[in-house]
Amino acid sequence: DTAVSQTPKYLVTQMGNDKSIKCEQNLGHDTMYWYKQDSKKFLKIMFSYNNKELIINETVPNRFSPKSPDKAHLNLHINSLELGDSAVYFCASSQDPELAGGHTDTQYFGPGTRLTVL
Amino acid sequence: GQNIDQPTEMTATEGAIVQINCTYQTSGFNGLFWYQQHAGEAPTFLSYNVLDGLEEKGRFSSFLSRSKGYSYLLLKELQMKDSASYLCAVLTTDSWGKFQFGAGTQVVVTP
Repeated sequence: DTAVSQTPKYLVTQMGNDKSIKCEQNLGHDTMYWYKQDSKKFLKIMFSYNNKELIINETVPNRFSPKSPDKAHLNLHINSLELGDSAVYFCASSQDPELAGGHTDTQYFGPGTRLTVL
Repeated sequence: GQNIDQPTEMTATEGAIVQINCTYQTSGFNGLFWYQQHAGEAPTFLSYNVLDGLEEKGRFSSFLSRSKGYSYLLLKELQMKDSASYLCAVLTTDSWGKFQFGAGTQVVVTP
């Protein structure tokens, strides 16, 4: 009955490779997110996506591309991996507050994917 | 720019009380969240404040003063399992990435 799940949990790969991380939520939420948590533990938003619109953090390199086959899934594709991409990537989801009657859009996080680029 | 500040680390003994402060300067404000993150795990939601005042939830309480751009998380009757990082996050009015997180405060509970 996992709410937000991600695969894989660990990913070790060589520089220059292309990889994907998958995320699924069974909470019926409308909005999903990708965050990057670096070694300094800052959680930084990369993308937010709902069934209306993809909103991109323009500081994220275009080697990173989110893909959402449906509102329960948001995958992250990374091309030409670099050493600096090593981090933990968290997926999260929330209910669009406009649809939730204006209530808080608390975010629920997946378990994270630890990416190590060698 | 966005700025969310919280102490890097705090240490307290089992059974004690610890107060984690968070100050923020953000573009717009739609609420402040506290998350708990154990090492190697995902952040989990603890509390949400949007109006000034104190919200109590068991051993944890969170306070907000919007005029001062200030919040604190109070952990009472500390237990060893409370050793974790506590993240302050502000819900801004940016068009994207509405959540802005602080770097987290590592709380170490000692016997």
